[in-house]
Amino acid sequence: DSGVTQTPKHLITATGQRVTLRCSPRSGDLSVYWYQQSLDQGLQFLIQYYNGEERAKGNILERFSAQQFPDLHSELNLSSLELGDSALYFCASSERTGASFDTEAFFGQGTRLTVV
Amino acid sequence: GENVEQHPSTLSVQEGDSAVIKCTYSDSASNYFPWYKQELGKRPQLIIDIRSNVGEKKDQRIAVTLNKTAKHFSLHITETQPEDSAVYFCAASIDSGYALNFGKGTSLLVTP
Repeated sequence: DSGVTQTPKHLITATGQRVTLRCSPRSGDLSVYWYQQSLDQGLQFLIQYYNGEERAKGNILERFSAQQFPDLHSELNLSSLELGDSALYFCASSERTGASFDTEAFFGQGTRLTVV
Repeated sequence: GENVEQHPSTLSVQEGDSAVIKCTYSDSASNYFPWYKQELGKRPQLIIDIRSNVGEKKDQRIAVTLNKTAKHFSLHITETQPEDSAVYFCAASIDSGYALNFGKGTSLLVTP
């Protein structure tokens, strides 16, 4: 168990709908990352939050948004869903940003999203 | 942005043989290179990492080498066992604590 909790584990929804994925980081971790894993694109970085603020943005669609709350949990909102959004969405957390710390990113078990 | 290429995409070896997976990266600012193992239906887990000030790092049967000049790094697994079967991802980043740019993965199968 990595200590990173993601809910729900599975989600099936229709095209055009909106869903929210939730992530609770390891205790004490300030950074939360969201990754999308699909068969053809591999693991792609979406967005990172650090202590409540957006820190870095990757290949995140405009239909997607995220936030990190004061208790450090994070939510990824996916709207106007398309069939191609079906994927495994991982949340990861690490202690902090900064080159001086040897800190690995711990991944949650992921949320499998199926858009039908 | 950073582009990480990983080869091969699939690798099959006999138990006890060695396995080598290679990655190249494009951004010379990258200084942190972790390797993750993902078993079927599970989350990616860090198995070893290396920083740009080190050329090689070893942990039991696993080793990673880095050639910063050539911008490539490799994972070496010796004395492979069936439980090593999984998908292995290389990644590159400015440092730990920053977003990881992953390769497409290598599916390793170790047959008894």
